[in-house]
Amino acid sequence: GIQVEQSPPDLILQEGANSTLRCNFSDSVNNLQWFHQNPWGQLINLFYIPSGTKQNGRLSATTVATERYSLLYISSSQTTDSGVYFCAVGWGNNRLAFGKGNQVVVIP
Amino acid sequence: DAGVIQSPRHEVTEMGQEVTLRCKPISGHNSLFWYRQTMMRGLELLIYFNNNVPIDDSGMPEDRFSAKMPNASFSTLKIQPSEPRDSAVYFCASTPTGSTEAFFGQGTRLTVV
Repeated sequence: GIQVEQSPPDLILQEGANSTLRCNFSDSVNNLQWFHQNPWGQLINLFYIPSGTKQNGRLSATTVATERYSLLYISSSQTTDSGVYFCAVGWGNNRLAFGKGNQVVVIP
Repeated sequence: DAGVIQSPRHEVTEMGQEVTLRCKPISGHNSLFWYRQTMMRGLELLIYFNNNVPIDDSGMPEDRFSAKMPNASFSTLKIQPSEPRDSAVYFCASTPTGSTEAFFGQGTRLTVV
């Protein structure tokens, strides 16, 4: 199956700092999504981004499908950004393969 | 829209008991997925349905697990008999017709003691 690798696995940020999370995948995909899993365990959709660049407030994402990677940018981080960020890629009949996640802790 | 609705949110059961998890996908979505999240294995796909038909159940761990989708608005995941190693968070997700974007429910945290 397709391999999804996320880096860094753990990240501690001072509030207000910027960060970049990376997702590498091993094969062509027809879907790429970024999720935020909050402390209550909910998986919140951040971006649906099989290719290109999108922005939503302080978050933005870029996927370069031809080079098989995606980046998630967090600017001016806040404590509410803490949690685990998952990259998930889709292939075949819409199934998603998840990376292991980026554990982000934002300290005040 | 209310999103994908799962019930119960939490379930604690004794080993050997039958457990049934429920999911209502977003109206108009034609694909439904069951995922399991554990510390050891992360998020993994168990089974998915397209237009109520099971397409791929290769992720179902063993015969103790079964899933049904009797209609477009309801699915169940059953574990019988349950074992402590089944303890995990079970997520249901759905995707709309013509799209690959998945939307997840809030999950069911299952604890088997």
